[in-house]
Amino acid sequence: DAKTTQPNSMESNEEEPVHLPCNHSTISGTDYIHWYRQLPSQGPEYVIHGLTSNVNNRMASLAIAEDRKSSTLILHRATLRDAAVYYCILTGLIQGAQKLVFGQGTRLTINP
Amino acid sequence: GAVVSQHPSWVICKSGTSVKIECRSLDFQATTMFWYRQFPKQSLMLMATSNEGSKATYEQGVEKDKFLINHASLTLSTLTVTSAHPEDSSFYICSAKKRGRGDYGYTFGSGTRLTVV
Repeated sequence: DAKTTQPNSMESNEEEPVHLPCNHSTISGTDYIHWYRQLPSQGPEYVIHGLTSNVNNRMASLAIAEDRKSSTLILHRATLRDAAVYYCILTGLIQGAQKLVFGQGTRLTINP
Repeated sequence: GAVVSQHPSWVICKSGTSVKIECRSLDFQATTMFWYRQFPKQSLMLMATSNEGSKATYEQGVEKDKFLINHASLTLSTLTVTSAHPEDSSFYICSAKKRGRGDYGYTFGSGTRLTVV
């Protein structure tokens, strides 16, 4: 399985941008890069995904390195509600099926 | 949208009894659903992939006779924890992939907290 590496935790201040890094040096050409987040006692929530080009949506931006071996999730203006565990996941065919395999993620703390 | 409803949200059961957890896709058809387990302070661990009309595919180390999965329709998958024991206490989460959608569209249920006493 293609694996990702993320910092265990990060901290930021409210209303400031947050850059969450993810390394995926063994990514294959067909793997998509997904980001999900999980608030306490809830199921994960989709944030954004991409393949090669940078992506923007109402929640965040995803910056993908040219060699695709790393990516960064950008929260442009963090709020207290953004405090969560953020997971960077590669999806592709694993044993003939597409499935999401979660790593440890980054626990993001937002200070008021 | 794509909404997945999971029921119950929490359950307490006695050791030795069985518990069924339901996962429904409310506004889309899901040919594939996934079941995860999450222990406190840990990440989600994929237990099995549930395919409509066929047997589930279990991840290595997951006992198929203990965690029975049924995906009888395109909108419903169930996970039954048989003869539950305290070590089965965990947060169980299902996920569904919208039929016909590309490589995105994984929607998660809100989870079921199982406590076995």
